[in-house]
Amino acid sequence: AQKITQTQPGMFVQEKEAVTLDCTYDTSDQSYGLFWYKQPSSGEMIFLIYQGSYDEQNATEGRYSLNFQKARKSANLVISASQLGDSAMYFCAMREANAGNNRKLIWGLGTSLAVNP
Amino acid sequence: EPEVTQTPSHQVTQMGQEVILRCVPISNHLYFYWYRQILGQKVEFLVSFYNNEISEKSEIFDDQFSVERPDGSNFTLKIRSTKLEDSAMYFCASSEATGVYYGYTFGSGTRLTVV
Repeated sequence: AQKITQTQPGMFVQEKEAVTLDCTYDTSDQSYGLFWYKQPSSGEMIFLIYQGSYDEQNATEGRYSLNFQKARKSANLVISASQLGDSAMYFCAMREANAGNNRKLIWGLGTSLAVNP
Repeated sequence: EPEVTQTPSHQVTQMGQEVILRCVPISNHLYFYWYRQILGQKVEFLVSFYNNEISEKSEIFDDQFSVERPDGSNFTLKIRSTKLEDSAMYFCASSEATGVYYGYTFGSGTRLTVV
């Protein structure tokens, strides 16, 4: 079973508008961390934002915010005021407390976001 | 801001050849990882490394692959007898700790093409 599900293979948004990228996850751990990464066409993986399972407030980092709904096991990324440079692949990932000593990241398939001028 | 450095950025190799992908993790990080991303597919965990030994490896990481930290700074991934299906982006990452709230810092990746 997929542990991280990103149901939107591709999304389009108009420049300056907000966009929400969906992520649902599956875990039986009480302690886990959720991460979003951006991968532009150049290929590098850029950390955007994280949310801890015990954090009561939604994480925010500049134009990025995470809409964390623990009961629904969703961790959607919201990008406000989209810019052309936001066009990229976006990956949701999870790190579980009981996933072995090194707690590797488990990844979704990603969402390709295109920002239109 | 500290970076994870990967070299080369691109490598083209003939099938059957050996390649070594190099990484310099962030100096105070203790945990090191290799991930692979085949074009258009999800990111896959290969191996994690701590205290100069492999701490976890995936089913992908078979005898064709090896890792080492030869000099206390570099962290290398060796792929022996490369196959066409080894063509992928390979990411090195390091982490200060393994608490769930600790993210990774990724390198820019090495795009390996096997021809």
